[in-house]
Amino acid sequence: EDQVTQSPEALRLQEGESSSLNCSYTVSGLRGLFWYRQDPGKGPEFLFTLYSAGEEKEKERLKATLTKKESFLHITAPKPEDSATYLCAVQARNRDDKIIFGKGTRLHILP
Amino acid sequence: DARVTQTPRHKVTEMGQEVTMRCQPILGHNTVFWYRQTMMQGLELLAYFRNRAPLDDSGMPKDRFSAEMPDATLATLKIQPSEPRDSAVYFCASGLVIVQKYYNEQFFGPGTRLTVL
Repeated sequence: EDQVTQSPEALRLQEGESSSLNCSYTVSGLRGLFWYRQDPGKGPEFLFTLYSAGEEKEKERLKATLTKKESFLHITAPKPEDSATYLCAVQARNRDDKIIFGKGTRLHILP
Repeated sequence: DARVTQTPRHKVTEMGQEVTMRCQPILGHNTVFWYRQTMMQGLELLAYFRNRAPLDDSGMPKDRFSAEMPDATLATLKIQPSEPRDSAVYFCASGLVIVQKYYNEQFFGPGTRLTVL
């Protein structure tokens, strides 16, 4: 069964303390993997799309990487404004191109 | 500043009543998605459309939910009759598929928070 699992469920970091969020997936065919950021009371906001293993993308303090089984979202020297829930999603080739979201990682950056 | 709009933002209704949620996708986008978000299940895909045609709605209960796109500027999600377990935040998102079947960025609306008593 196609599945997307994110870990940890929640993460508290001090400002400036770098870390990584994990998204592991099991799908028979991957078309793309997406990272979104969601602030409380708002809709998810797009961050990155990764299409193939080995691909990396960066945006400010965030860097996303992709392997054949998982993706990491690296956060370097985070600031309190990076606090949010980070969602990972995959587009599965063998499920009529449906998009499956993970349950997210709640990130809290302490000043 | 193009954005997806959803109405209403909040809806409180009683069990058994009909609920209609509306979404205006970004002009020019050819794909529209409906999602439901709860604490327990996270974000679940209910249905999606390409060029106004329904591609898949297997994620939603067929007996009570229906999704349509009467025109390119309006997508609707109806629940009839509503039940307390339908309480959730419902999001609409739109996107532009250029290379066939490869999705990229989805733009999400602010959501409709539904409470069924």
